[in-house]
Amino acid sequence: DAGITQSPRYKITETGRQVTLMCHQTWSHSYMFWYRQDLGHGLRLIYYSAAADITDKGEVPDGYVVSRSKTENFPLTLESATRSQTSVYFCASRGLAGGNEQFFGPGTRLTVL
Amino acid sequence: DAKTTQPTSMDCAEGRAANLPCNHSTISGNEYVYWYRQIHSQGPQYIIHGLKNNETNEMASLIITEDRKSSTLILPHATLRDTAVYYCIVRGRAGNNRKLIWGLGTSLAVNP
Repeated sequence: DAGITQSPRYKITETGRQVTLMCHQTWSHSYMFWYRQDLGHGLRLIYYSAAADITDKGEVPDGYVVSRSKTENFPLTLESATRSQTSVYFCASRGLAGGNEQFFGPGTRLTVL
Repeated sequence: DAKTTQPTSMDCAEGRAANLPCNHSTISGNEYVYWYRQIHSQGPQYIIHGLKNNETNEMASLIITEDRKSSTLILPHATLRDTAVYYCIVRGRAGNNRKLIWGLGTSLAVNP
C-alpha cells in the first residue's frame, strides 16, 4: 500500500539493548524526519534527512543514530536504550515541491524497562 | 524561529463552527503558518497553511490577520471526528532544512 509505514508499532525492551525502529515511505519523498512525542512536550525533532546519504541532527539527537541508504527507508537506532527514551516515535516525510506539509506514519510506542 | 501561543483546550458543539486561535507575534515576513491535527494515538495530519492571504481547502479555512501576528483555523461544521489536538506552527527558519517547531497545541473537544 502507498504511504508511510512504521515498524514495529509497539516495542518493549530493556535498558542497554540496541533497538531499531523502521520507517518506509512509498512516495519517493526527499525529506524524512524522526520525532519523539512525550507528555508535556510537543513533537521534538530527533534527526532528519534531505536525501539518501544526507542526514542532520534535530533538537534531541543524543542517543540516536540514523542512516538513509535508500530514499524510501529511514531507520532510527537506539544504540543503548535508556528509560528516558521511552516515548512514542513518529516518522514523517515530505517532498521537495509544494509547501512544507509533512506526512506522518502511525507511530511506534517504545517502552524501555 | 517564531513561537506560537494557543489555548490549551476548547469545546465546540457538533455541527457548529470551531474557531481555533493562534498567536505568532514574532513571525517573520517569509514564514508560513501551518496547521496540523493529531487524533488520539495517531500520527499528526496536515490541515492547511498560509503566508498572508486567507486560505480554504476541503478540511478548513485559515484566516491570517493583516499584521500576521495571529491566525484562526476554522472548521466550519465540526463533527465528533474533529476531536483532536490542533497544532499551529510557524515554519522554522534554518536554511532549507524544513524543520517545523511544534508546541503543545489546542485540545479540541467536539461535543454531541
